[in-house]
Amino acid sequence: DGGITQSPKYLFRKEGQNVTLSCEQNLNHDAMYWYRQDPGQGLRLIYYSQIVNDFQKGDIAEGYSVSREKKESFPLTVTSAQKNPTAFYLCASITKSGGGSGELFFGEGSRLTVL
Amino acid sequence: AQSVTQPDIHITVSEGASLELRCNYSYGATPYLFWYVQSPGQGLQLLLKYFSGDTLVQGIKGFEAEFKRSQSSFNLRKPSVHWSDAAEYFCAVLLTGGGNKLTFGTGTQLKVEL
Repeated sequence: DGGITQSPKYLFRKEGQNVTLSCEQNLNHDAMYWYRQDPGQGLRLIYYSQIVNDFQKGDIAEGYSVSREKKESFPLTVTSAQKNPTAFYLCASITKSGGGSGELFFGEGSRLTVL
Repeated sequence: AQSVTQPDIHITVSEGASLELRCNYSYGATPYLFWYVQSPGQGLQLLLKYFSGDTLVQGIKGFEAEFKRSQSSFNLRKPSVHWSDAAEYFCAVLLTGGGNKLTFGTGTQLKVEL
């Protein structure tokens, strides 16, 4: 079945460490997104990528980095510069064509806890 | 900048009662509007979407939503709530032409009393 796979589901890290969250999709979608979710704040966009080898900052990109070397993969690195990294991270994708079908497909999320 | 407001942080209803979750948006043109549902620790699932045409849209799980341009609203409704509907619900607006960015409201947590 097609879908989005995020790993790991749970991750603990010490302060000062970088950590990379994986996001893989086999939907042949063009665009991919990373959102951060905190209680009471909804989902906030970190980075997004519309095509391979290109990505843009979202609303809260500071302390994060991404790469898009392959269409199906969009890993997110949470760096030590991110001051409050403990959160639930969601990856999503969408097909770029289709005149705005608009539906984002989401992975099941990765919960990062900084100890 | 576009924004989405969900004024109710928490709502509690009895099983079998009707439900309405509110959503207001601020956007210069008629937006693409969505409702998503999230169970604890899970990703988001699309309930329904509005692009154009009939302002009353039907979704999955018996949900519907009505787009009201004059009120800039897109409220989600269900005639009879089931205990399994307890979850968090997010309204979202799609900004096209700029990377298909979806802007989410802060969510409404629904609790269903048996």
